[in-house]
Amino acid sequence: DTAVSQTPKYLVTQMGNDKSIKCEQNLGHDTMYWYKQDSKKFLKIMFSYNNKELIINETVPNRFSPKSPDKAHLNLHINSLELGDSAVYFCASSPGRWVGEKLFFGSGTQLSVL
Amino acid sequence: GESVGLHLPTLSVQEGDNSIINCAYSNSASDYFIWYKQESGKGPQFIIDIRSNMDKRQGQRVTVLLNKTVKHLSLQIAATQPGDSAVYFCAENNGDNAGNMLTFGGGTRLMVKP
Repeated sequence: DTAVSQTPKYLVTQMGNDKSIKCEQNLGHDTMYWYKQDSKKFLKIMFSYNNKELIINETVPNRFSPKSPDKAHLNLHINSLELGDSAVYFCASSPGRWVGEKLFFGSGTQLSVL
Repeated sequence: GESVGLHLPTLSVQEGDNSIINCAYSNSASDYFIWYKQESGKGPQFIIDIRSNMDKRQGQRVTVLLNKTVKHLSLQIAATQPGDSAVYFCAENNGDNAGNMLTFGGGTRLMVKP
């Protein structure tokens, strides 16, 4: 029943490691996103994909690489994790191509880099 | 009351009272606005939206008011309940050339006292 689901819910890892977060939506939406929420709850967009095509790539280090195998999935791979990467990462989707429309969020992945 | 500074602004209200959460947006060209509610450990959930050709929109127990002259948005919650305790975000579609992204405000924590 979950509309936007992401795994894992919690991710604790050491600096320098590589990790992935997976996201799937069963809403039939065309556009998917990754947002980062810092400790002050500030939400900032990282990436947006429409039908597997990258349409937004904000100022994010190259260590972050999104991958969209199909329009229902958008995964986030992070290389060489740093302390500053600790945050909650949210996947989201929206129905059409217009990225300024209503977003449906997953429940988040809390990443802690030690 | 409210507290500002390094901490998330907090609004504390008594159960049954009305709540008003305010948001100042930045871009006079923004034409679409959304309020989201984020409960602890969950992703942001859509509450209500409004387009710039309106100045008021009502939902169930919630009303959004838009004042384009002073670039101000507010969310009014009637008869606030303990389940309304959460962090509330406003988001604007900033309508610029960068893909019309949704930009989120910094959030306000609503605490409902029983």
